Amino acid sequence: QLQMQESGSGLVKPSQTLSLTCAVSGGSISSTAYSWSWIRQPPGKGLEWIGYLYYGGSTYYNPSLKSRVTISVDRSKNQFSLNLSSMTAADTAVYYCARGGVTKPFEYWGQGTLVTVSS
Amino acid sequence: QSALTQPASVSGSPGQSITISCTGTSSDVGGYKYVSWYQQHPGKAPKLMIYEVSNRPSGVPDRFSGSKSGNTASLTISGLQAEDEADYYCSSYTSSIFVVFGGGTKLTVL
Repeated sequence: QLQMQESGSGLVKPSQTLSLTCAVSGGSISSTAYSWSWIRQPPGKGLEWIGYLYYGGSTYYNPSLKSRVTISVDRSKNQFSLNLSSMTAADTAVYYCARGGVTKPFEYWGQGTLVTVSS
Repeated sequence: QSALTQPASVSGSPGQSITISCTGTSSDVGGYKYVSWYQQHPGKAPKLMIYEVSNRPSGVPDRFSGSKSGNTASLTISGLQAEDEADYYCSSYTSSIFVVFGGGTKLTVL
């Protein structure tokens, strides 16, 4: 059974960069035909797709966040990461990693990690 | 990329059936079979309930079903149970190879 776990900074100051990592266990992040995504949910609001990393290494980002987002992979550690720069209060949210994206549904999710932007 | 349109809330009594709609465009819902539905209980991660319009993952009760007509997808829950009370989100692949979610629907079981 695939499991995913987010980790990283839970409190970020305005203008700083958020760094989160998603550790994958029970399966290889290098498996073909899968994508690995980041999704966020502001408190009391809906889901917003941030971007995904395709198994071949290509990345695709939400146009509204594209200028600030980087998703990368560390295959040796079976994990992938999210960097989101120039954080503001509007970026306060629960951040989820998930397997899925492109034409694949989000079948597996991490438990989510709350990130608060505050000075 | 605009969010898909879902009703903010729906409600039903135990045993009844309800349907949640998800309206997009020909560039997303109407153009592809890659529509999914997710159930989210408070404080929990979303759970995949339906994928590719009408397919159920293993373990999801057959009370949950999905369909699509034109630019609108629908999730139907029959034989409503108290445990079905949750938020439901649709999502779709788009022509820009992105993913778009609906705004979410709160289901209340009366």
